[in-house]
Amino acid sequence: GAGVSQSPSNKVTEKGKDVELRCDPISGHTALYWYRQRLGQGLEFLIYFQGNSAPDKSGLPSDRFSAERTGESVSTLTIQRTQQEDSAVYLCASSLALRGYYGYTFGSGTRLTVV
Amino acid sequence: KNEVEQSPQNLTAQEGEFITINCSYSVGISALHWLQQHPGGGIVSLFMLSSGKKKHGRLIATINIQEKHSSLHITASHPRDSAVYICAVSGFGNEKLTFGTGTRLTIIP
Repeated sequence: GAGVSQSPSNKVTEKGKDVELRCDPISGHTALYWYRQRLGQGLEFLIYFQGNSAPDKSGLPSDRFSAERTGESVSTLTIQRTQQEDSAVYLCASSLALRGYYGYTFGSGTRLTVV
Repeated sequence: KNEVEQSPQNLTAQEGEFITINCSYSVGISALHWLQQHPGGGIVSLFMLSSGKKKHGRLIATINIQEKHSSLHITASHPRDSAVYICAVSGFGNEKLTFGTGTRLTIIP
């Protein structure tokens, strides 16, 4: 596609439920990144993929968070047993090369609200 | 102390003014990025720097590796430049970006 597509754009879920967030990167972009932005705060790195591998998962806040990528394309971020502190905008970005050498393209994000 | 500090946090200026946003970092880096986040939330990559200076239209970004400092300049500012500008750095052999808290720029017509 022309840009990075994320779905859903908004998600309201009850505390304790599981959620899946999807990211469709730009075709051919080998690097894919997940970030989180809590209300009024800066961006936090969660995880990145090089192809289908995730060399750095250090930003995942807890073992309730997991992510996968298949076919060097779509990625899914799963949050199990959601908590209110998980409420944030989850942003996905993709890049043609590592280190964002040609820049990053960001999706519009998924706004997650845990009630 | 955050690894990436930006100043000012908020900046309001009149249309046409020359704008400078500063970013200081405390760790060794392989690259520094400037991003723009629009009021609707969309984020755009502006520059990636590892040394020197880059220019794109009215935007200029510079970096001084020895001083661990970067600046983003906007010439002839316009209300459409109103956004949050974010500095982010990546370490050596590391794809993880560490972000500053952003500078909210408002340009008044």
